[in-house]
Amino acid sequence: GAGVSQSPRYKVAKRGQDVALRCDPISGHVSLFWYQQALGQGPEFLTYFQNEAQLDKSGLPSDRFFAERPEGSVSTLKIQRTQQEDSAVYLCASSLAGGSIEQYFGPGTRLTVT
Amino acid sequence: AQSVTQPDIHITVSEGASLELRCNYSYGATPYLFWYVQSPGQGLQLLLKYFSGDTLVQGIKGFEAEFKRSQSSFNLRKPSVHWSDAAEYFCAVGVSNFGNEKLTFGTGTRLTIIP
Repeated sequence: GAGVSQSPRYKVAKRGQDVALRCDPISGHVSLFWYQQALGQGPEFLTYFQNEAQLDKSGLPSDRFFAERPEGSVSTLKIQRTQQEDSAVYLCASSLAGGSIEQYFGPGTRLTVT
Repeated sequence: AQSVTQPDIHITVSEGASLELRCNYSYGATPYLFWYVQSPGQGLQLLLKYFSGDTLVQGIKGFEAEFKRSQSSFNLRKPSVHWSDAAEYFCAVGVSNFGNEKLTFGTGTRLTIIP
């Protein structure tokens, strides 16, 4: 079946612009996660949804970062007034059910802020 | 809070040789442990996982890992590497609590295969 998909795969933004990154999880997966992977680093947790409820947003680095999943399927990560330090790969993952810890990752969106 | 250490940033191995990638974790209880592989421009693919039970777990592509509680380690092994194994490998620890299911990753080990 189809895996997790993300769009766009690459995004170049000028500093100060707003960006929106989309994640389509595996159909039927209840849990959805966003991670940020800086160059040469491991992924770092940003936020977690169970259906449409955002249960953990402790990893969001600033109030410029906002995530939503209004209907419990597709999710959007929005970054306002982008800064150079926001340049990274943003990974989305989904898992089957709350409490199921096996996560399936999408290919990521590489964001470059110039 | 949990943490993961991968002490080797870069490892070079000859094709056909054996491989061991090290991973140490810090967590107050029995953790859920994972190894993921990431090829350039790709997302993360799960190689194997440990939840409980047998401490030697088998994964895809001929990989295995052993959980050693006394050493807080979960090292990844492969008896004979192939050129296609060249990639970045990440160890991760997870917590399964409703409302807090995030994975914590190590910084990764880059594997280079030489002919």
